[in-house]
Amino acid sequence: KAGVTQTPRYLIKTRGQQVTLSCSPISGHRSVSWYQQTPGQGLQFLFEYFSETQRNKGNFPGRFSGRQFSNSRSEMNVSTLELGDSALYLCASSSARESEAFFGQGTRLTVV
Amino acid sequence: AQKVTQAQTEISVVEKEDVTLDCVYETRDTTYYLFWYKQPPSGELVFLIRRNSFDEQNEISGRYSWNFQKSTSSFNFTITASQVVDSAVYFCALRGSEKLVFGKGTKLTVNP
Repeated sequence: KAGVTQTPRYLIKTRGQQVTLSCSPISGHRSVSWYQQTPGQGLQFLFEYFSETQRNKGNFPGRFSGRQFSNSRSEMNVSTLELGDSALYLCASSSARESEAFFGQGTRLTVV
Repeated sequence: AQKVTQAQTEISVVEKEDVTLDCVYETRDTTYYLFWYKQPPSGELVFLIRRNSFDEQNEISGRYSWNFQKSTSSFNFTITASQVVDSAVYFCALRGSEKLVFGKGTKLTVNP
């Protein structure tokens, strides 16, 4: 059974640009969550989707957005990139709310 | 609000020593789930264990053991006879009625 797949693995963008990250969950998992990980702030929750609906949202500016498709694949978008957006972005999928979340390898975004 | 505290930022031990990673949580929910994850240098979070709030039974899996005590709101993780391959950042996490919340992590270094 394939794990959570995130693409791309690495990304370098310039300030002001926008970026889209993709996440394919484990087959059968309908819940997808996104996290931002930085050395200073640790793992911070961005948003959670279940069956194409956003279930929870973290405390991030509106430049961060996401969506989930009918096949449970999810994308997150960051517009008007800032240097501080440089981070490891992790996606996780789970079969149910109370179940363990399985993480992808992450997308390392560097904003220059 | 939910909160997870991992007071130990970094721990360094010599191979074969036992080490305990502390985790204290806060939640008003009566039903909640606790997790431990391991993040090796490669970056991917690896699920280790899930415990629900109604099951205070301790668990042992090989060299790993977990001690869940609701009375002290703690869910500590012990590695017996540590090995160099155990070197990683370990995260404790909590999920109640809200999103999955992570502690700041404890970086464990096991020296040969």
